[in-house]
Amino acid sequence: DTGVSQDPRHKITKRGQNVTFRCDPISEHNRLYWYRQTLGQGPEFLTYFQNEAQLEKSRLLSDRFSAERPKGSFSTLEIQRTEQGDSAMYLCASSRRRGGNTEAFFGQGTRLTVV
Amino acid sequence: DAKTTQPPSMDCAEGRAANLPCNHSTISGNEYVYWYRQIHSQGPQYIIHGLKNNETNEMASLIITEDRKSSTLILPHATLRDTAVYYCIVRVGSDSWGKLQFGAGTQVVVTP
Repeated sequence: DTGVSQDPRHKITKRGQNVTFRCDPISEHNRLYWYRQTLGQGPEFLTYFQNEAQLEKSRLLSDRFSAERPKGSFSTLEIQRTEQGDSAMYLCASSRRRGGNTEAFFGQGTRLTVV
Repeated sequence: DAKTTQPPSMDCAEGRAANLPCNHSTISGNEYVYWYRQIHSQGPQYIIHGLKNNETNEMASLIITEDRKSSTLILPHATLRDTAVYYCIVRVGSDSWGKLQFGAGTQVVVTP
């Protein structure tokens, strides 16, 4: 168990550029979640996958955001035409159902700065 | 999911017990209480969860009141490494797809 891995850890981009983040969940975890966290706030749920199926998207996830998990393993989160308001920490988590509850394991996040 | 209320910050002396309160007066019968913490520049870390009974693991103890409207997370012997933001979350315990609704949490500072 190597934990949830996110890449890159930091990204600085110019406004209007596209960025893509990658998340590698804990192996055999069938659920994968994306969250966004701004300074001083708790993480906010964006979307999640059960295997390769994207089952829920928050209204926070605008049309400029897209997430994929093509083979039910790693996932990517792409932001098109970045805006300064997109600057945040993007967190990925994975889980496997155990009993009646799920315990989510988080990665260390990708910090995005849009200049 | 029910909303929670936590104090914004609290200090604790190293080696002493830290008692972190959480109010969740609108909790439903099928909602569990979860605690996560987030150390600076890291992702949140699961601590413990419970439904009705008090729970204990290697990290902490969770005390839930009989009416389930509030709970307390206890770190029995706080260390400097316990300095973090602690989040109390309530959510449906059955298959809720693992979506967590974080609030602002409590910033705990453990001092020498």
